Amino acid sequence: KAGVTQTPRYLIKTRGQQVTLSCSPISGHRSVSWYQQTPGQGLQFLFEYFSETQRNKGNFPGRFSGRQFSNSRSEMNVSTLELGDSALYLCASSLWVITDTQYFGPGTRLTVL
Amino acid sequence: AQKVTQAQTEISVVEKEDVTLDCVYETRDTTYYLFWYKQPPSGELVFLIRRNSFDEQNEISGRYSWNFQKSTSSFNFTITASQVVDSAVYFCALTLNTNAGKSTFGDGTTLTVKP
Repeated sequence: KAGVTQTPRYLIKTRGQQVTLSCSPISGHRSVSWYQQTPGQGLQFLFEYFSETQRNKGNFPGRFSGRQFSNSRSEMNVSTLELGDSALYLCASSLWVITDTQYFGPGTRLTVL
Repeated sequence: AQKVTQAQTEISVVEKEDVTLDCVYETRDTTYYLFWYKQPPSGELVFLIRRNSFDEQNEISGRYSWNFQKSTSSFNFTITASQVVDSAVYFCALTLNTNAGKSTFGDGTTLTVKP
C-alpha cells in the first residue's frame, strides 16, 4: 500500500503571498489531519478533515484553511503569508478518526522570505 | 486543556546502552490515546505505538518497551541495547476521544546514539 504523499516537498514564498499544499492519504483512510512543525512551537495540530468536513480545529488564525475532496485527498491553504509561517507542514491519515493510528507523510517544507 | 511534557530535551548514549525517554501528560478526560513517534533526520514521523487510557498493560516490541502508568500520568519508552539507527527525535502525543479530539505533542527528545 502506498503511504501518505505530500506535494510539493519544498516551497519558497514571499510575505503576503498565499500557498496551497496537497496531501493524498493512504488508500481507504478517511481522516486527514494537518500539523505545523517549527523549532520554536514544536508540532501543533492545525485541523482534521473527515468526509469533506472539518471535524476538529487547532488554535490557528483564519489565514489557515483546508478542505477535503470526495476521494479523501486534502489541501491546506495559507493566505497572506508571514515569516512565522515558515515550517514543516505534515499531513497524517488514519482510517476513521484521529484516535486511530495516524500515518504521516514526508511533509512540505515551506520557507517564507 | 491537555498537555504533554517530555522533560528530556536531548539524550546521548553509547551504542548498546539502554535508554528511557520520559513522557508525562495532563488531561481531565478519562478516555484518551497515547502515542509515540520517531522522527529521523528525513523528517517523516514514524508510528511506534498507540495505547488507550483503559489499557495499562506494558508492551514490548523487540528492543522497544513502553511503561504506561495512569497513577503518575506517564507513558515512558525504553530502548534496550540502543543502536546508531535509533538516533532520532522521539515524540510522545496525546489524543482525546471526543468530537473535539485533537492531538497534542510533546516537544520531543533528541536521542543520539554514538558508536
